[in-house]
Amino acid sequence: EAGVAQSPRYKIIEKRQSVAFWCNPISGHATLYWYQQILGQGPKLLIQFQNNGVVDDSQLPKDRFSAERLKGVDSTLKIQPAKLEDSAVYLCASTLDRSSYNEQFFGPGTRLTVL
Amino acid sequence: AQSVTQPDIHITVSEGASLELRCNYSYGATPYLFWYVQSPGQGLQLLLKYFSGDTLVQGIKGFEAEFKRSQSSFNLRKPSVHWSDAAEYFCAVDSGNTPLVFGKGTRLSVIA
Repeated sequence: EAGVAQSPRYKIIEKRQSVAFWCNPISGHATLYWYQQILGQGPKLLIQFQNNGVVDDSQLPKDRFSAERLKGVDSTLKIQPAKLEDSAVYLCASTLDRSSYNEQFFGPGTRLTVL
Repeated sequence: AQSVTQPDIHITVSEGASLELRCNYSYGATPYLFWYVQSPGQGLQLLLKYFSGDTLVQGIKGFEAEFKRSQSSFNLRKPSVHWSDAAEYFCAVDSGNTPLVFGKGTRLSVIA
């Protein structure tokens, strides 16, 4: 079974530039998560989708971050414009549904460096 | 709000020695508890989880964890560490209807 795919794996941009990350979850997984993991910290949830609808985006900085999952499968996370403090690893995870009993499967992440 | 504390930022153990990684949580009721491992350049992998029942849970790769309600702890253990266990370990808590909250992680180094 293929895992969660993410691209690119690494990205370096200058502040005020825009960047987008892509995630392809495990086939059949209805719930998709984006996490931000700053160096030295644990992952922090940015947004949670159930199919193509947003379940929780309370911690997403909506003035600069946006995410979509138009067809309920792939998802993109965008930052526009980027700030230095956005340097982090962005992790995508998926699970069968929202139940806590279902394991979240994580992708390898995209490491973003903002200069 | 629920929170997770991993008091040890970095631990070094000798190969073959036993391991215990500490995790304390703050939550009013009995939470769902998880341990994840993250190897360099890899995503997080679930080691084990506790929802209810037996307070000693077995996971993959020979790991186990014990839930102690009186101490609000969920410590991860392994009787004999292998060099391949070197990684970052994260404890996480979930109340059932809120997002996973992760601790800051403990980095494990294994020496010969």
